[in-house]
Amino acid sequence: NAGVTQTPKFQVLKTGQSMTLQCAQDMNHNSMYWYRQDPGMGLRLIYYSASEGTTDKGEVPNGYNVSRLNKREFSLRLESAAPSQTSVYFCASRQGWGQPQHFGDGTRLSIL
Amino acid sequence: QKEVEQNSGPLSVPEGAIASLNCTYSDRVSQSFFWYRQYSGKSPELIMSIYSNGDKEDGRFTAQLNKASQYVSLLIRDSQPSDSATYLCAVRGRDDKIIFGKGTRLHILP
Repeated sequence: NAGVTQTPKFQVLKTGQSMTLQCAQDMNHNSMYWYRQDPGMGLRLIYYSASEGTTDKGEVPNGYNVSRLNKREFSLRLESAAPSQTSVYFCASRQGWGQPQHFGDGTRLSIL
Repeated sequence: QKEVEQNSGPLSVPEGAIASLNCTYSDRVSQSFFWYRQYSGKSPELIMSIYSNGDKEDGRFTAQLNKASQYVSLLIRDSQPSDSATYLCAVRGRDDKIIFGKGTRLHILP
């Protein structure tokens, strides 16, 4: 059972380039989340999808867009990458109300 | 006021001793509480969930919840060097929103 799978694991971009981070879960979870984690800042929620067909902004949505492609997949897009978006990005999912989140292995993104 | 607060540490504990990690939260209606362990360069891993007042034990780990004091803790008995990690407290509050603390770095001294 793979759980939550994120691709790619590492990426280096130049300022202004665009890219999409992929996330897929095989646990039949309803909710999915994108976080970024920076030193000293903890986990910060970028966007989330409470259920298939819905998406909502989190704490730090600026510069990002998301797509809940189906129940399994939730992608995060950087349209015009900036050095401030250098971070580790985690995707998470959970079954529903009151349940804990389960995390993918993360994507380490560097923007030069 | 921060919603979920943890001492950033590092907390240094001798091998074999009890490590005590603390977390306070501000939202009185919070109903679910989680502890995650995160090794350096890795993703957070769920180690404990607790939903009602009191203690919950799982192997060497015990989670303690006191809703009146808005306080949740994690005890690690017989600490091992492999327990050295950052421990994240997460709280589910109103609107099913989960808030993470910034974590406490734990260092087990061999």
